[in-house]
Amino acid sequence: QVQLQESGPGLVKPSETLSLTCTVSGGSISRYYWSWIRQPPGKGLEWIGYIYYSGTTKYNPSLKSRVTMSVDTSKNQFSLKMNSVTAADTAVYYCARLGDDSSGYVADYWGQGTLVTVSS
Amino acid sequence: DIVVTQSPDSLAVSLGERATINCKSSQSVLHSSNKKNYLAWYQQKPGQRPKLLIYWASTREFGVPDRFSGSGSGTDFTLTISSLQAEDVAVYYCQQYYTIPYTFGQGTNLEIK
Repeated sequence: QVQLQESGPGLVKPSETLSLTCTVSGGSISRYYWSWIRQPPGKGLEWIGYIYYSGTTKYNPSLKSRVTMSVDTSKNQFSLKMNSVTAADTAVYYCARLGDDSSGYVADYWGQGTLVTVSS
Repeated sequence: DIVVTQSPDSLAVSLGERATINCKSSQSVLHSSNKKNYLAWYQQKPGQRPKLLIYWASTREFGVPDRFSGSGSGTDFTLTISSLQAEDVAVYYCQQYYTIPYTFGQGTNLEIK
């Protein structure tokens, strides 16, 4: 059973960089796409982007200038960095696996989510 | 961006009754090459992570009860719960994965009447 676990600081100061890591267990990070999705408190879901195990990325254009994703296959981890954060970036951040071509790459496994608050 | 709009925003249904949630995309998510609709449904129970229910608009994820069904094509889609159970109380989201950025509907809050 694939499991994902987000980790990183829960509090980030405005204008600084948010950094999160997702550790994948119960399966290999190879051969799949991996995504970050966020949810502001009490609101809906926003897709941030995805990364393939080879390092290929696609980002939401609305966040593209501030977002970088990376993958470390040796550690079975992938990461998110978002710079110049503001209070609007306060959200629960989820990492997720995108299924394969049989499902069209939908998010079939999710981490439990981690709340990141942007505040001084 | 494809805008995805759900209706209603909130819904209260009696136990054992049918619940219907609608999802409309601002442009078609039907791919001409494979005739598949790039539309998924997720369930998010209070305090929990989202859970994939349906993909390709109508294919149930493994382990999802058959009281959940999806239908529709092109721009108009429906999630139906045939006989509401107490454990179905949740917020339901549809998502298009036809084009980047993948976008979600605003969510429908389903409660027991």
